[in-house]
Amino acid sequence: DAGVIQSPRHEVTEMGQEVTLRCKPISGHNSLFWYRQTMMRGLELLIYFNNNVPIDDSGMPEDRFSAKMPNASFSTLKIQPSEPRDSAVYFCASSMGTGVRKDTQYFGPGTRLTVL
Amino acid sequence: GQSLEQPSEVTAVEGAIVQINCTYQTSGFYGLSWYQQHDGGAPTFLSYNALDGLEETGRFSSFLSRSDSYGYLLLQELQMKDSASYFCAVIPNQAGTALIFGKGTTLSVSS
Repeated sequence: DAGVIQSPRHEVTEMGQEVTLRCKPISGHNSLFWYRQTMMRGLELLIYFNNNVPIDDSGMPEDRFSAKMPNASFSTLKIQPSEPRDSAVYFCASSMGTGVRKDTQYFGPGTRLTVL
Repeated sequence: GQSLEQPSEVTAVEGAIVQINCTYQTSGFYGLSWYQQHDGGAPTFLSYNALDGLEETGRFSSFLSRSDSYGYLLLQELQMKDSASYFCAVIPNQAGTALIFGKGTTLSVSS
């Protein structure tokens, strides 16, 4: 299994630009999570989907952030317009959602975003 | 509110035993997980406790006391490669799969 795939791995952009992060979860997993990690705030849950439906987006910082999951094998996190304070590592994770270890999350390698 | 408390840093030497504690206050509780993250890497799953007691996985063990809202991760026979951040995470309810993560404990193992 290829694991959770994220792209790009690194993104440097200028303030005001649109940024789109992409994630392909592990095949067969029905829950998908977007996290942001910074030194100051740690690992924060932004949003999670179950069966492609957003369940909890209370962690999305503001309207500049949006996430979609058009199908079971793809999700995007978009920031428009981006700001320097959005600089962080963004992780996507997926879990099976069923079974004994339904809650075990498998993380992608992350996207390191730098907004200048 | 939801909060998980764990020490920010722990240091130890190779071959030693280290215990990383985690206390939690959450609106619901279904289980406690531990994740490891090496510098520059992604968090990876280590262990899970839903019931009170000790779960052992090789050199790592995890303990849970639901009545005390407390758990710990025990790392034995420490190796340099164990230098990493360790996160406890609460599963707040049975129906969902979202986790609430602690801030993480940075473990430094020296020779």
